[in-house]
Amino acid sequence: AQSVAQPEDQVNVAEGNPLTVKCTYSVSGNPYLFWYVQYPNRGLQFLLKYITGDNLVKGSYGFEAEFNKSQTSFHLKKPSALVSDSALYFCAVRPGYSSASKIIFGSGTRLSIRP
Amino acid sequence: NAGVMQNPRHLVRRRGQEARLRCSPMKGHSHVYWYRQLPEEGLKFMVYLQKENIIDESGMPKERFSAEFPKEGPSILRIQQVVRGDSAAYFCASSPAGVVVTEAFFGQGTRLTVV
Repeated sequence: AQSVAQPEDQVNVAEGNPLTVKCTYSVSGNPYLFWYVQYPNRGLQFLLKYITGDNLVKGSYGFEAEFNKSQTSFHLKKPSALVSDSALYFCAVRPGYSSASKIIFGSGTRLSIRP
Repeated sequence: NAGVMQNPRHLVRRRGQEARLRCSPMKGHSHVYWYRQLPEEGLKFMVYLQKENIIDESGMPKERFSAEFPKEGPSILRIQQVVRGDSAAYFCASSPAGVVVTEAFFGQGTRLTVV
């Protein structure tokens, strides 16, 4: 069965420092991987995705993520955090064996950036 | 191009009543997903539909819950005889059909409160 794990419920970072939000996955076949952000009382906003190709993908708001097949990970990163990055972040996976496959989300990681 | 539209944004129902949640996907999208989010928790997959077909309902409770996506009109998530435990935010997402895998686009959610 496919699954996504976000091992950290909360990540605290000082503004200006680099941040990493961890994600590991388990899926049959090649994975399609996504990161979303959720602000309070809002829906999810798409940040970036990995489908194929370069392992380092760049997305919105200066975020990037690195796909590591051997470690089955897709960690979200940003070189310099902003207070406005504080939000709930979700990693998601969709197996590549079928075009009719559901998207599974991790439990979410709350990112808190202190001034 | 309007985004995914969900209505109502807030819904209050008494125990035993029915709740109907509507989702209009983005123009040109024929895939719809429904998710449930409890406070301070992640997104739990409920059902995946394409026009007139239920593709995957493995996350849907067997009783009281049903979903449809007719040829014309919005997708409907229906909860019969609501109980307090049904109180949650329900999110709909849509994606286009086709071979190329894209991200899903989310609506703002419907917050159901059962009193």
